[in-house]
Amino acid sequence: EVQLVESGGGLVQPGGSLRLSCAASGFTFSSYSMNWVRQAPGKGLEWVSYISSSSSTIYYADSVKGRFTISRDNAKNSLYLQMNSLRAEDTAVYYCARGSYYGGYVDYWGQGTLVTVSS
Amino acid sequence: AIQLTQSPSSLSASVGDRVTITCRASQGISSALAWYQQKPGKAPKLLIYDASSLESGVPSRFSGSGFGTDFTLTISSLQPEDFATYYCQQFNSYPLTFGGGTKVEIK
Repeated sequence: EVQLVESGGGLVQPGGSLRLSCAASGFTFSSYSMNWVRQAPGKGLEWVSYISSSSSTIYYADSVKGRFTISRDNAKNSLYLQMNSLRAEDTAVYYCARGSYYGGYVDYWGQGTLVTVSS
Repeated sequence: AIQLTQSPSSLSASVGDRVTITCRASQGISSALAWYQQKPGKAPKLLIYDASSLESGVPSRFSGSGFGTDFTLTISSLQPEDFATYYCQQFNSYPLTFGGGTKVEIK
């Protein structure tokens, strides 16, 4: 069974930093691309970042470019999102999401971790 | 970035009704479209990929169609467990983008 478990969310002040982690199990992590997708309270889904299976290709949404860094450790079956210079508008539930094997859609989602940016 | 416009943003329907949600892309995306269902407090769930392919385990009352810029998600006979918010997503190019969502409520 595919499982994606996020951790690292919490309350942080504007301008602060936070590192999210996602522990993957139930599939060959090193064979799949991964994404972070977020959802602000009461709002829709917003894609944040993508990393290919080997980390050779990385993309970011314009809203986080230069502030967030996605990475992965295939030996540890883990995905990360380093978030710096956080703003109030970054407040959201952050989902770890597996990219499908042949395409760019998401086929599995974690349960999400809440990040709140507030003073 | 490719914009996706979903309509309607919300609808009220009864159990047994046929429901259709549309998603329009700002430029052609071939068949690179997925549909997701999200219930309150839960992660989204994949329903349809490649515009019309049903994800394994998803009931056959769900179907998708379309190509290029215009797509539809149809629920042939709405069931109580289908009341949720539905999102389309394009994966033709990065940045990946989602539609604004359609909330399906009980009439």
